[in-house]
Amino acid sequence: GIQVEQSPPDLILQEGANSTLRCNFSDSVNNLQWFHQNPWGQLINLFYIPSGTKQNGRLSATTVATERYSLLYISSSQTTDSGVYFCAVPVRGSARQLTFGSGTQLTVLP
Amino acid sequence: SQTIHQWPATLVQPVGSPLSLECTVEGTSNPNLYWYRQAAGRGLQLLFYSVGIGQISSEVPQNLSASRPQDRQFILSSKKLLLSDSGFYLCAWRQRQGGTEAFFGQGTRLTVV
Repeated sequence: GIQVEQSPPDLILQEGANSTLRCNFSDSVNNLQWFHQNPWGQLINLFYIPSGTKQNGRLSATTVATERYSLLYISSSQTTDSGVYFCAVPVRGSARQLTFGSGTQLTVLP
Repeated sequence: SQTIHQWPATLVQPVGSPLSLECTVEGTSNPNLYWYRQAAGRGLQLLFYSVGIGQISSEVPQNLSASRPQDRQFILSSKKLLLSDSGFYLCAWRQRQGGTEAFFGQGTRLTVV
């Protein structure tokens, strides 16, 4: 099946710093999602981004499907950005269940 | 708008006891439904998915089972819990047609003691 790799596994930042999280996938995909898992465990949808670039406030994402990677940018980080960030891609077929990367644990220090 | 409800939020159960976690989706019909588990650490593992009433596919052999008695209801069960069943369980849905995004419930933290 498709492999999804995320880097870095852990990232520690000072408040106000910028960061880039990367997601590589082993096969062509027709969509990709980024999630933020908050301290209570809930998965928050950040972006649904099959290709191109999207922005939502301080966050933006770019997917280059032909080169099989996606990037999540966080600018002017805040302590509330802390948590685990996951990317996920669907398996081909009718169910299109998601395969997740192992996540990036982000800690933003005040 | 569509919403997904999952309960209970937390559960502590003794080894050997039964389990029933429920997930319901509102505001849509014929969704694909999924159960994931997140063990201590980070990764999310797909346990079951369903593309219709009574249609259940299992991704990994395990002590758990799933059922879909109604279009928008997905239940995760066990007859006898093991210590290794502890973890964080997440239900998700997506529209069946089209390449749409998936949405997750708030999760159930299960501790088997």
